[in-house]
Formats: sequence, C-alpha cells, structure tokens
Amino acid sequence: DIQMTQSPSSLSASVGDRVTITCRASQGIGNHLVWFQQKPGKAPKSLIYAASSLQSGVPSKFSGSGSGTDFTLTISSLQPEDFATYYCQQYSRYPLTFGGGTKVEIK
Amino acid sequence: EVQLVESGGGLVKPGGSLRLSCAASGFTFGGYNMNWVRQAPGKGLEWVSSISSSSSSIYYADSVRGRFTISRDNAKNSLYLQMNSLGVEDTAVYYCARETGISYWGQGTLVTVSS
Repeated sequence: DIQMTQSPSSLSASVGDRVTITCRASQGIGNHLVWFQQKPGKAPKSLIYAASSLQSGVPSKFSGSGSGTDFTLTISSLQPEDFATYYCQQYSRYPLTFGGGTKVEIK
Repeated sequence: EVQLVESGGGLVKPGGSLRLSCAASGFTFGGYNMNWVRQAPGKGLEWVSSISSSSSSIYYADSVRGRFTISRDNAKNSLYLQMNSLGVEDTAVYYCARETGISYWGQGTLVTVSS
C-alpha cells in the first residue's frame, strides 16, 4: 500500500500568513494527488486535483505543487474561513490512501 | 449542481447488518467511478470501497473485504454499500464520493455499532 505522510500534523498561524502543508508518498504517484479541506462536523471539500489543478469554485489563494513523492499545498494569505483540517489523497493505485491530516489553527 | 445524498445509517448491534444508499444528481452518474469513504469519530479519512462506472471493477479495503459489498444502479443514479457482520470498529460517518481522485463528497451518514 502507498503510505501518505503529511506534515506538520498541526500548525498555528495568523490571519494573513502564508501557510504550506506537505504530503509525502511512500512511492512515486506521478501527479495523482488531491487535497481536501474539512471543517468540524462537515464533509470534506475538494480543493486541488492532479496535484496542482484548482477545483471549480475554489479561490486562487489555494495552490498545489509537486510530483512523484513530494507535494505541497499552499494558502497564500490565511483567512478566518481557512481554519480547518487539510488532507491529501493519492489515487495512483488501490487501495486509495489518505494523509493523516493537518489541522490549521488560529494563533 | 452535483449532489450526493447518503441515507441508511443508524444504530446497529455488533454482528448486525446495514445497507447504505447514495442518491446522485447533477451529473451523468453512469460516467463516473464511485467510492465509499469513512471517518471514525475524531479520526482521519479511511477509504472503504470503490466501483467503476460499469461495475466491472470493484475494490475493497482489507478491513471490510468479505463483509461489505458495494454496488450501483446507473438507471437509478444510486450507489449502495451492504455492510454485514458489523463490529464496533465500523462506527463512523460514511461518505459517498465521486471519482477516484475524489472531486465531490456527500454530507455523510452516521453508522453506530454498539450493544
């Protein structure tokens, strides 16, 4: 199985900060990676697909990069509505696997 | 607008069964692979099962293989998950999700396995 390791597991940041979350795959997955945002009590929301393509309707402050084994999600200027938990998911092969999540909290 | 609406969750005793449904609308259901993903209380996301658009390919997580069965009815725009021999470890919110690289999620349905 492909293991997805996210770091950090949590972070504290201020409104306006630039935030970067990383996701590392245990083997190469090309660009078969998606990023999600999840708020408490809500379903996940897809942000980025194919590692760097923005889902329809997602603001451009979110961006993704990487290929192979190392990926990043960047939020260019953190806003109050961005405080949430973020997950990555690989879809290169089954079983589909998720990162453990990164909780972004208010400093 | 893409909509995925799960139903069928509830409280069930260990060893019991439950059938989840997901009603899809706003897109050509028969053109997409579909998935079930679950999230135990306070935990991360866990993939459960996937089915291809024509039902020709089906995959299961090791933790549910032999107990859960995924199926779909493209004429009814519906996805199903038959869950048998449920254990306390199956307690979770179950989400229906579109595409292998998941693009849309339902709101989830809570399954609680408890005596």
